[in-house]
Amino acid sequence: NAGVTQTPKFQVLKTGQSMTLQCAQDMNHEYMSWYRQDPGMGLRLIHYSVGAGITDQGEVPNGYNVSRSTTEDFPLRLLSAAPSQTSVYFCASSRSDPGTVYNEQFFGPGTRLTVL
Amino acid sequence: GQSLEQPSEVTAVEGAIVQINCTYQTSGFYGLSWYQQHDGGAPTFLSYNGLDGLEETGRFSSFLSRSDSYGYLLLQELQMKDSASYFCAAQDSNYQLIWGAGTKLIIKP
Repeated sequence: NAGVTQTPKFQVLKTGQSMTLQCAQDMNHEYMSWYRQDPGMGLRLIHYSVGAGITDQGEVPNGYNVSRSTTEDFPLRLLSAAPSQTSVYFCASSRSDPGTVYNEQFFGPGTRLTVL
Repeated sequence: GQSLEQPSEVTAVEGAIVQINCTYQTSGFYGLSWYQQHDGGAPTFLSYNGLDGLEETGRFSSFLSRSDSYGYLLLQELQMKDSASYFCAAQDSNYQLIWGAGTKLIIKP
């Protein structure tokens, strides 16, 4: 199993550009989420999904869109990049909706994004 | 607002025991989890406390007191490879994780 994979590993954008960060998992996990991590801070939830076709907003959703057409994939789209979106982005998955029983989250290796 | 407080940095000696504290304030609370993150790496799960008391997993233990809104991670027999950042994360009323800012553990030989 590859676990959770993310592409690209590094990305530099100019202000106003759009792009999609890819995330895929091969563990048949129902729950997937996107976080951003800024220096000296913990992870902040951007968007999450409890299953294919279902997404919801987290703590910091503005400027980002997600979709979940399959169980495996959960892409994150930056609509119009801003310098404030410079961060490390982590995708995570867990076995089921954490509302049922707590399941450890498995994280991808991260995407380091710089917006100039 | 929702917040978790943990020390920004802790220093310990190889072979010793260290405790990393975490206090939380969330809208609803279901449990406290701990993750380890090495520099440049992704967080990895260490433990979860849904009930009061101590959970032990090898050299690592985690404790929760709901009445005090407090928990801690205890690392025993410290090894150099334990040098990392440690995050507490509280599961709130929406079952989402609210993360602390992390504690950087520095281990000296």
